[in-house]
Amino acid sequence: DTEVTQTPKHLVMGMTNKKSLKCEQHMGHRAMYWYKQKAKKPPELMFVYSYEKLSINESVPSRFSPECPNSSLLNLHLHALQPEDSALYLCASTPGRPLYEQYFGPGTRLTVT
Amino acid sequence: DQQVKQNSPSLSVQEGRISILNCDYTNSMFDYFLWYKKYPAEGPTFLISISSIKDKNEDGRFTVFLNKSAKHLSLHIVPSQPGDSAVYFCAASARGSGTYKYIFGTGTRLKVLA
Repeated sequence: DTEVTQTPKHLVMGMTNKKSLKCEQHMGHRAMYWYKQKAKKPPELMFVYSYEKLSINESVPSRFSPECPNSSLLNLHLHALQPEDSALYLCASTPGRPLYEQYFGPGTRLTVT
Repeated sequence: DQQVKQNSPSLSVQEGRISILNCDYTNSMFDYFLWYKKYPAEGPTFLISISSIKDKNEDGRFTVFLNKSAKHLSLHIVPSQPGDSAVYFCAASARGSGTYKYIFGTGTRLKVLA
């Protein structure tokens, strides 16, 4: 089973709203990621959690706030977003050593109005 | 600085023929490489990977070749099928850094013609 699930599939929010994206995996993977992807562009890394600790923050604005409540769950809290934040948000996970295959969820299509 | 490059934005191939997708990288610390297939509005699907200790890895119709001296890898799909039409991304990681960070190329859109 190489499934990473993400909810919701689609989200429309206003610039003053607070919302959260959720990601879950039950493969025992110890590294989890948030990526942002715009049309015709590669996935752009935002955050990495390794063993439930934030290990990489790619200088992401504070209106994006990640959270890793446990080894299976990853959240991305959104607040006061801008229209240019509209994108496909992808979650991924990696088993860690020695395997490094990274598996992606289906993504959340976010539209900020 | 684009550390992973896919210089062909698109490629068209006849069904049944070989598709060859190319990827170049600049960082000699990269030691693990992956290929993904992506349909619109979906997450990338992992296809195949290769470690820098190998120069070839095969899985069914997919073969990845790695040329470390040229810092080049390629994905061969044989035979190509219409369902292979998608955007293909290569990605690279420096496992020795322990950061679990993956750098993606810009993607190549493959169209397999029936």
